[in-house]
Amino acid sequence: QLVESGGGLVQPGGSLRLSCAASGFAFNSYAMNWVRQAPGKGLEWVSSISGTGGAIYYADSVKGRFSISRDNFRNTMYLEMNSLRAEDTAVYYCAKEGRYYSSGTYYNEWGHYFENWGQGTLVSVSS
Amino acid sequence: QSALTQPASVSGSPGQSITISCSGTSSDVGKYDAVAWYQQNPGKAPKLLIYEDTKRPSGISDRFSGSKSGNTASLTISGLQSEDGADYYCSSYAGSSTMVFGGGTKLTVL
Repeated sequence: QLVESGGGLVQPGGSLRLSCAASGFAFNSYAMNWVRQAPGKGLEWVSSISGTGGAIYYADSVKGRFSISRDNFRNTMYLEMNSLRAEDTAVYYCAKEGRYYSSGTYYNEWGHYFENWGQGTLVSVSS
Repeated sequence: QSALTQPASVSGSPGQSITISCSGTSSDVGKYDAVAWYQQNPGKAPKLLIYEDTKRPSGISDRFSGSKSGNTASLTISGLQSEDGADYYCSSYAGSSTMVFGGGTKLTVL
């Protein structure tokens, strides 16, 4: 299970920290992602983090403003969002990365698909 | 990181089959066996239907199938049911550890 929290209303230029609490699986063995969806719009990948936290990736639209992290002792992933803009308004989902298997054997943590999703948390950026 | 191209809407009658296309480029859809499909009902989180172009997760009906030819992937839903009415999204690995989604397709079951 994945449960997001931390969303809310923030002014342009402000900051917000989202959390994603995970349960029911070996959290530290899975890469995790943030995916967002603006109101009435499609899905947009935002950021990914490996199971150890040693590999981190961002979409160009948030690079330099957002920071992803995780605490494997607390089974929680975070998204620190700074310099927020109106176009960052969206529901933010955390999603567990599916694993890649080769010939039925586990190969690596990057399957390039989102196996499980949280219910999302709404971030509204407005003055 | 340009979005993949999907039709805005498709429709079909119960029992029929429909296909949703997802057009990308030789840098994403055409390069990697990493297209996934998701179903999203209003106000709900997306749900994984297909991964690695053609594979179905456990618990997903075999009425849902994925295929790919060149830079275009497709999701086919056979034996259409009323509960299949939803938004459908494709995604693909786009290299350099980035992911890209399609714009989404609204399926209406007539």
